[in-house]
Amino acid sequence: SQQGEEDPQALSIQEGENATMNCSYKTSINNLQWYRQNSGRGLVHLILIRSNEREKHSGRLRVTLDTSKKSSSLLITASRAADTASYFCATGLNTGGFKTIFGAGTRLFVKA
Amino acid sequence: GAVVSQHPSWVICKSGTSVKIECRSLDFQATTMFWYRQFPKQSLMLMATSNEGSKATYEQGVEKDKFLINHASLTLSTLTVTSAHPEDSSFYICSARSTGGGYGYTFGSGTRLTVV
Repeated sequence: SQQGEEDPQALSIQEGENATMNCSYKTSINNLQWYRQNSGRGLVHLILIRSNEREKHSGRLRVTLDTSKKSSSLLITASRAADTASYFCATGLNTGGFKTIFGAGTRLFVKA
Repeated sequence: GAVVSQHPSWVICKSGTSVKIECRSLDFQATTMFWYRQFPKQSLMLMATSNEGSKATYEQGVEKDKFLINHASLTLSTLTVTSAHPEDSSFYICSARSTGGGYGYTFGSGTRLTVV
């Protein structure tokens, strides 16, 4: 079953602009991960933020986590056409075993 | 870094036949691997958790007799879609938990199954 809800479902921006994607979830988590998927391809792990962390950076990526609101955001700064892809948040759960549940995803289109 | 190899990348089969998909961790041992299914323009749905040396744990609604999972070694898990039907056509992706710090998972490149 899915646990994450993401918004927007689709986002179209100009190259150079920032892109913000949000993710909300329902249950307690160990961590939250963001992944990128190019059309019809496998997933690439972007960043992981633990439940006791509030913000994390990696290059042009900035992730925040608010466990009180059960939400996270992914900010991509100075976007490029090559950032065009689907982005998924995934919650890491420990329910008698570790597993990762994915949100619905945001389809980002960056226009050159 | 950790690499997961998934084969085949695409397969077309006839209704009623079975298809096996392999997922290998190339440079690390994976006691646990995960199998996901993805329909076009949708998210990944966790099908089952594959545990080395023991039975897989299936998510609710996933038919264990339909989707056979075998995790016979620390580097290989297989998913066999038995008696495939056109509705089984989908993108199947495996993942394994990376051992190199953090809790991120490494994903295979996926297998696109088309049942005709």
